[in-house]
Amino acid sequence: EVQLQQSGPEVGRPGSSVKISCKASGYTFTDYVMNWVKQSPGQGLEWIGWIDPEYGSTDYAEKFKKKATLTADTSSSTAYIQLSSLTSEDTATYFCARGTTVATEALIFDYWGQGVMVTVSS
Amino acid sequence: DVQMTQSPSYLAASPGESVSISCKASKSINTYLAWYQEKPGKTNKLLIYSGSTLQSGTPSRFSGSGSGTDFTLTIRSLEPEDFAVYYCQQHNEYPLTFGSGTKLEIK
Repeated sequence: EVQLQQSGPEVGRPGSSVKISCKASGYTFTDYVMNWVKQSPGQGLEWIGWIDPEYGSTDYAEKFKKKATLTADTSSSTAYIQLSSLTSEDTATYFCARGTTVATEALIFDYWGQGVMVTVSS
Repeated sequence: DVQMTQSPSYLAASPGESVSISCKASKSINTYLAWYQEKPGKTNKLLIYSGSTLQSGTPSRFSGSGSGTDFTLTIRSLEPEDFAVYYCQQHNEYPLTFGSGTKLEIK
């Protein structure tokens, strides 16, 4: 059974960084890219970017290029997102989601983590 | 970026009824639209991709249609477990973009 288990809630001070994790199980970690998606309170979903764990290659939405850094540890089948220079705009729930392609190179998300709430507060 | 506009934002219906949710893209995305279900305490679920292809495990009462810029998710004979929030997402190009969601509530 495919599972994506995310770390617990985080509180970060304005200007600081937080790093959250997503541990994958039930499939070969390097066979799929891992995505990150942001959901601001009461808002919809925003795609942040993906990482290919096998090669370490990444792609980011323009809006998140200076905000998020995606990494992956193949030895533990864990993907990470680090959010830097935190502001109140970063208060949100962050999901990891396994990506797969069908017909196009653009991804769909066939499995999701449970989400991690990040609160930015002084 | 492709803007995805979902409507309605809220929809109230009774079990057994059928409902439809619309998703409109700001430019043609061919047939490359996915639908997801969000429920409290559960992980998001992929229901449909490529406009009308049911993901494995999606009940047949769910169907998707459309191409170009206009798409529809239809749920026939609503079951209690169908009351949730639904999102569309285009998978035609980067950046990947989502609709703002439709909350389906019990009437």
